[in-house]
Amino acid sequence: QVQLQESGPGLVKPSETLSLTCTVSGGSINNYYWSWIRQPPGKGLEWIAYISYSGNTNYNPSLKSRLTISVDTSKNQLSLRLSSVTAADTAVYYCVRDQGRLGGFDYWGQGTLVTVSS
Amino acid sequence: QTVVTQEPSFSVSPGGTVTLTCGLSSGSVSTNYFPTWCQQTPGQAPRTLIYSTNTRSSGVPDRFSGSILGNKAALTITGAQAADESDYYCVLYMSSAIRVFGGGTKLTVL
Repeated sequence: QVQLQESGPGLVKPSETLSLTCTVSGGSINNYYWSWIRQPPGKGLEWIAYISYSGNTNYNPSLKSRLTISVDTSKNQLSLRLSSVTAADTAVYYCVRDQGRLGGFDYWGQGTLVTVSS
Repeated sequence: QTVVTQEPSFSVSPGGTVTLTCGLSSGSVSTNYFPTWCQQTPGQAPRTLIYSTNTRSSGVPDRFSGSILGNKAALTITGAQAADESDYYCVLYMSSAIRVFGGGTKLTVL
């Protein structure tokens, strides 16, 4: 059974960079696409970006200028970095296996809450 | 900016049938958008119910079905149960391959 576990600081100061890691277990990162999705408290879901095992990326245009995502196949890990954060970036961040148009999101991490506050 | 629209809330009686919809602020939803539906119960991570318009994910009961109705994608729940009380999100796949979520529909079963 594929499991995804997000990790990273739960509190980030405004204007700083949010950094998260997603560790994939029970399966390989290879041959799949992986998305990051977030959900502000009490609000809806927002797709952030995807990355393939080979490093192909696609970003939400509204976040693109602040985003960097990467993959480390040797560690079976994904990473997300979001710079210049504000309170609006406070959210639960999910790591998700993304099967695309023909498969949807088939495995989700439990999510990690990141709060942006001084 | 493309906006994906959903009813903010809906209610259904136990055993009843409800259809939630997913539209576009400009234009029509077709199978070319490969509509996907996700369910989220309070405090839990979402899960995918339906992808590519009408394909159920593994383990999803057949009381959930997806379709295109007119110019919108639709999720129909037949024989609603108390356990179906959740938030439902649709996702559309744009030509640029970006994914766009709708605002979600809060379904109440009572």
